[in-house]
Amino acid sequence: EVQLMESGGGLVKPGGSLRLSCVASGFTFSSYTMNWVRQAPGKGLEWVSSISITSSIFYADSVKGRFTVSRDNPKNSLYLQMNSLRAEDTAVYHCARVGTPFFNNGWFDPWGQGTLVTVSS
Amino acid sequence: DIVLTQSPGTLSLSPGERATLSCRASQTVSGSSVAWFQQKPGQAPRLLIYGVSTRATGIPDRFSGSGSGTDFTLAIARLEPEDFAMYYCHQYGSSSQTFGQGTKVDI
Repeated sequence: EVQLMESGGGLVKPGGSLRLSCVASGFTFSSYTMNWVRQAPGKGLEWVSSISITSSIFYADSVKGRFTVSRDNPKNSLYLQMNSLRAEDTAVYHCARVGTPFFNNGWFDPWGQGTLVTVSS
Repeated sequence: DIVLTQSPGTLSLSPGERATLSCRASQTVSGSSVAWFQQKPGQAPRLLIYGVSTRATGIPDRFSGSGSGTDFTLAIARLEPEDFAMYYCHQYGSSSQTFGQGTKVDI
């Protein structure tokens, strides 16, 4: 069964840092572009970042320069290093795989359940 | 960035009725790269449609997607009780991907 499991969320003060992890199972992780998508409480979905199988990386403007995405293929893991956190970064952060291997872009399927990041003093 | 505008914001319908949800892009979405997701409270989004009109695995045929260019539609032929949820469109045709703000389908 294809599964994604996020961890690393929690409460952090404005200006602080946090590192999220996403562990994948049930598929060949190294063959798929991976993404981070967030959802603020009561709000819609916002794409955050993507990293391809060749480590081509893209960010939403809202996080560029503050967040860093990376992957460790032997560990089947995706990461999101979040620095200079702001209140508006408060959200559930989901990792999501693209639906087709070897493509840089694609629809998102499946998604992890997400990990909650709260930025508050 | 491509802005996706979904309408209506809320659709109030009854079981058995047809739902039509709209997603309009601020510029042409390349490569038919539009997907639709369903989300229920406390759950991760569930893929319904990709490539504008292809149903994902296990999605009932009462769900259908259509459109091209800047205008896309998700139709639900006969609403079942489990279909009352939030729906989001998503464009993945550009390196800066975007989602619509969502349409809530409620009773």
